Amino acid sequence: GAGVSQTPSNKVTEKGKYVELRCDPISGHTALYWYRQSLGQGPEFLIYFQGTGAADDSGLPNDRFFAVRPEGSVSTLKIQRTERGDSAVYLCASSQGASYNEQFFGPGTRLTVL
Amino acid sequence: DAKTTQPNSMESNEEEPVHLPCNHSTISGTDYIHWYRQLPSQGPEYVIHGLTSNVNNRMASLAIAEDRKSSTLILHRATLRDAAVYYCILKRTIQGAQKLVFGQGTRLTINP
Repeated sequence: GAGVSQTPSNKVTEKGKYVELRCDPISGHTALYWYRQSLGQGPEFLIYFQGTGAADDSGLPNDRFFAVRPEGSVSTLKIQRTERGDSAVYLCASSQGASYNEQFFGPGTRLTVL
Repeated sequence: DAKTTQPNSMESNEEEPVHLPCNHSTISGTDYIHWYRQLPSQGPEYVIHGLTSNVNNRMASLAIAEDRKSSTLILHRATLRDAAVYYCILKRTIQGAQKLVFGQGTRLTINP
């Protein structure tokens, strides 16, 4: 079956620009997570959705980062006024929602801010 | 979140067993022990999880110490495709504590 998909796979932008990264979770998964991974580091949690609502956004680094999931399926991570330090791989994961269930990760979007 | 400690890197030979250790001395009673791995240029992949008893699945086995302060992921017969970064993660089961907190992990190299 189809796994988690993320688009685009690569995004190059200039400092100060706005970007949107999309995540399509596994069909029927109610929980959706965003992480980001800098080179040589483990993934770092950003935000978690249960259905349409953000249940935990404690990992968002500042107010330039925002994420939505309006219909409880596809999610978009939005970054305003990008900075070079935002360059990383942005990973999306989904799960069936129970606290102990495994998370299924997408391949990530590599964001490069020039 | 309780912290885990893993060796930065390990090396093994193809078709031999691999034992990946993880220390979690501050683990609490509600923490499950999860293992994920990340192959090059891919997102992390779930491997196995457990609470108190040893666990087996098609990918690996998880041996948990009686005091739960450490655990070992066992790959019974490593292949070249097992070369990856392996992450040991403690995950609370309480409502709202859904995130995975990744450390640096162990980079496993498999020699042919």
